[in-house]
Amino acid sequence: GAVVSQHPSWVICKSGTSVKIECRSLDFQATTMFWYRQFPKQSLMLMATSNEGSKATYEQGVEKDKFLINHASLTLSTLTVTSAHPEDSSFYICSARRQQGNTEAFFGQGTRLTVV
Amino acid sequence: LAKTTQPISMDSYEGQEVNITCSHNNIATNDYITWYQQFPSQGPRFIIQGYKTKVTNEVASLFIPADRKSSTLSLPRVSLSDTAVYYCLVEQNTGFQKLVFGTGTRLLVSP
Repeated sequence: GAVVSQHPSWVICKSGTSVKIECRSLDFQATTMFWYRQFPKQSLMLMATSNEGSKATYEQGVEKDKFLINHASLTLSTLTVTSAHPEDSSFYICSARRQQGNTEAFFGQGTRLTVV
Repeated sequence: LAKTTQPISMDSYEGQEVNITCSHNNIATNDYITWYQQFPSQGPRFIIQGYKTKVTNEVASLFIPADRKSSTLSLPRVSLSDTAVYYCLVEQNTGFQKLVFGTGTRLLVSP
């Protein structure tokens, strides 16, 4: 099956620094990818839709200047958490689909971000 | 996007059949019903998808009544490794629609 890979799997950073998370579709091209955030014992919360070659679409309440998304190619989207703070500590997950329509979504393994 | 309602949690024992029901009263004509499974510290994984009646694969069955206002995920003879959170989603068959997750059902399988 299709594989979506995230890197890194976990990262620890200091407050005020920036962290970049990569999401790759390994065996298919993804014009659209999605970024989620998940806090412990909670559901996935959609942060933004990443569109190849254009600006990301952010969900209400998500700061676009803090969570920078770049979708420079059909197989790579990146999420950069800028000026990270402890409250940004969370589990970040990306998702992509092979094609339009009612096909399954493939999810990355997630990235555990801890800001100290 | 149709909102879904599921039980917050369920308990079961190994070898039992588990049925998780999801309500989606506002489902639209071109909406599909999809279930995902998530283990701790992992991304969700697709289980099954259906539009109406019954769908079965090697992992589970999905039952959808005629009015499509609910659906039931059936896991036959669960094992300890089926302990996970199960999400029911309703999505349109139109382009790359974003997936919005509800609360999910936390299933605990005990020995």
